[in-house]
Amino acid sequence: EVQLVQSGAEVKKPGESLKISCKGSGYSFTSYWIGWVRQMPGKGLEWMGIIYPGDSDTRYSPSFQGQVTISADKSISTAYLQWSSLKASDTAMYYCARLGGVVVVPAAPYDYWGQGTLVTVSS
Amino acid sequence: DIQMTQSPSSLSASVGDRVTITCRASQGISNSLAWYQQKPGKAPKLLLYAASRLESGVPSRFSGSGSGTDYTLTISSLQPEDFATYYCQQYYSTPGTFGQGTKLEIK
Repeated sequence: EVQLVQSGAEVKKPGESLKISCKGSGYSFTSYWIGWVRQMPGKGLEWMGIIYPGDSDTRYSPSFQGQVTISADKSISTAYLQWSSLKASDTAMYYCARLGGVVVVPAAPYDYWGQGTLVTVSS
Repeated sequence: DIQMTQSPSSLSASVGDRVTITCRASQGISNSLAWYQQKPGKAPKLLLYAASRLESGVPSRFSGSGSGTDYTLTISSLQPEDFATYYCQQYYSTPGTFGQGTKLEIK
């Protein structure tokens, strides 16, 4: 059974750093792109970026380029999303999701999703 | 980036109704279009991909159509569990932009 299990909720102060995780199981982790999606409170879904764990090829949305870092450790089948300096506007639910199909280019829908990690940034 | 415009943003309907949600891309996306359902407090769930292909396990009352820049999601006979928010997403190119969502509420 394919599963993506995300790390737990975080409460941080502005300026702090944070790294959240997404552990994949039940499939070949290195063969599928993994993406991160932001959902701000009461708002829609935003595509942040994706990574191919097999070779760490990473693509970012221009809206998030330079604001976050996406990485993966294929030895433990885990993808990460990190911030070096959080802002209050980073308060949101963050989902990881797998792109369906073994594809070389990231042109596929998200077929499996993690349960979400709620990040709250407040002074 | 390709912009996805979804309409309506909200919709009230009754059990048994047929409803249609539309999604327009700012350029052609060659049927690289997915539809997701999201219920409160839950992760989105893939319903359809390639504009009209039903994901495994999704009821056949959900269907999709379209080509080029214009796509639709149709629910043939609404069930109580279908009241949720629906999103389209293009995956023709990165970033794989989402529509702004359609909240389907009980009338």
